[in-house]
Amino acid sequence: DQQVKQNSPSLSVQEGRISILNCDYTNSMFDYFLWYKKYPAEGPTFLISISSIKDKNEDGRFTVFLNKSAKHLSLHIVPSQPGDSAVYFCAASNFGSARQLTFGSGTQLTVLP
Amino acid sequence: SQTIHQWPATLVQPVGSPLSLECTVEGTSNPNLYWYRQAAGRGLQLLFYSVGIGQISSEVPQNLSASRPQDRQFILSSKKLLLSDSGFYLCARGQGFSYNEQFFGPGTRLTVL
Repeated sequence: DQQVKQNSPSLSVQEGRISILNCDYTNSMFDYFLWYKKYPAEGPTFLISISSIKDKNEDGRFTVFLNKSAKHLSLHIVPSQPGDSAVYFCAASNFGSARQLTFGSGTQLTVLP
Repeated sequence: SQTIHQWPATLVQPVGSPLSLECTVEGTSNPNLYWYRQAAGRGLQLLFYSVGIGQISSEVPQNLSASRPQDRQFILSSKKLLLSDSGFYLCARGQGFSYNEQFFGPGTRLTVL
């Protein structure tokens, strides 16, 4: 049972345009959501997060939107740069022992120069 | 510093051989520690987490085990490796029960032949 789903395994975007990565979840107990970026053979790097009490969080070129009623979140990258090319994972957690993360399967973003 | 060390970086082992992967973290004491595995072409799967010395919780039944002999040391082990144990193993740290992010180490690439 996949509680966090990233239905698009890959996305290609032109440099300078907006990249939109999507994530859906099924567990209504999740109250904190995160996006990670991962290059091959490296550990994931934390990008941005959002609490369930908010619907938007912005950090530079990265904005995360949360739609609780739809159980959907998205990551917007504007403008996209070639260095943004990587696999992006969304993750979710709920208040509880150790706050373990449940990850989606990832989306490979390719930004074309 | 919140640095996470993992070794070895790469490991090739025959089926049936034992395994020991080590993770050590720097920084604040009593971190939550996690072991994840990323199988080829898949997302990150939580294997074990620990909220303190000697405290281990298992998320997925398997032939792997984990131990936390010291506050900042987390070890992943197996007595007999299977082909299906191949993957990219990641150690991560978090802190307490608050809304916090997990930070990942560089990972260990394990290939079982």
